[in-house]
Amino acid sequence: EVQLVESGGGLVQPGGSLRLSCAASGFMFRVYWMTWVRQAPGKGLEWVANIKYDESEKYYVDSVKGRFTISRDNAKNSLYLQMNNLRAEDTAVYYCAILRMGAKGVYFDYWGQGTLVTASS
Amino acid sequence: SYELTQPPSVSVSPGQTASITCSGDILGNRYACWYQQKPGQSPVLVIYENTKRPSGIPERFSGSNSGNTATLTISGTQAMDEADYYCQASDSRTVVFGGGTKLTVL
Repeated sequence: EVQLVESGGGLVQPGGSLRLSCAASGFMFRVYWMTWVRQAPGKGLEWVANIKYDESEKYYVDSVKGRFTISRDNAKNSLYLQMNNLRAEDTAVYYCAILRMGAKGVYFDYWGQGTLVTASS
Repeated sequence: SYELTQPPSVSVSPGQTASITCSGDILGNRYACWYQQKPGQSPVLVIYENTKRPSGIPERFSGSNSGNTATLTISGTQAMDEADYYCQASDSRTVVFGGGTKLTVL
């Protein structure tokens, strides 16, 4: 059974840092692209970042470029999101998900339960 | 930046057909997919690559994509289908979600 379990969320002051983790099991983690998607309270889904299985490609939404870094450790079946210089507008539930690559686009077929990040003083 | 537009809300009577649209520039040239999200739960993929249903998704869910519009259709809508629905598309590097549509079954 595929499982994705996020952790590391919490309350942080604006300007602070936080590192999210996603523990993967039940599938061959090292051969799949992965992604982070967030959802602000009462709002819609927003894609944050993608990472290729070998870390050779990483992509980010413009609003987090230069502040967030996606990474992975295939030996530990884990995905990470390092978030620096957090802003109030980064407050959201952060989901990790498996990215499937199609000929004309991607989709996310398994999602974790999410972890809440709150950037507030 | 690329944008996808969905109606904020759609209402349907039980047993009837619900259609949720998603509009974007030349969306028909990309794959569209759809997610269902119920309150307090993670999103669930219901349609991918325009028309395909993942294992476990009921046959009443179907999708289409042509021109500038992708459509999610739920035939014989049930009370359990009441949820938020999000469309999503991508290019080679980035991903975009629509703003979401709240489906009410009444």
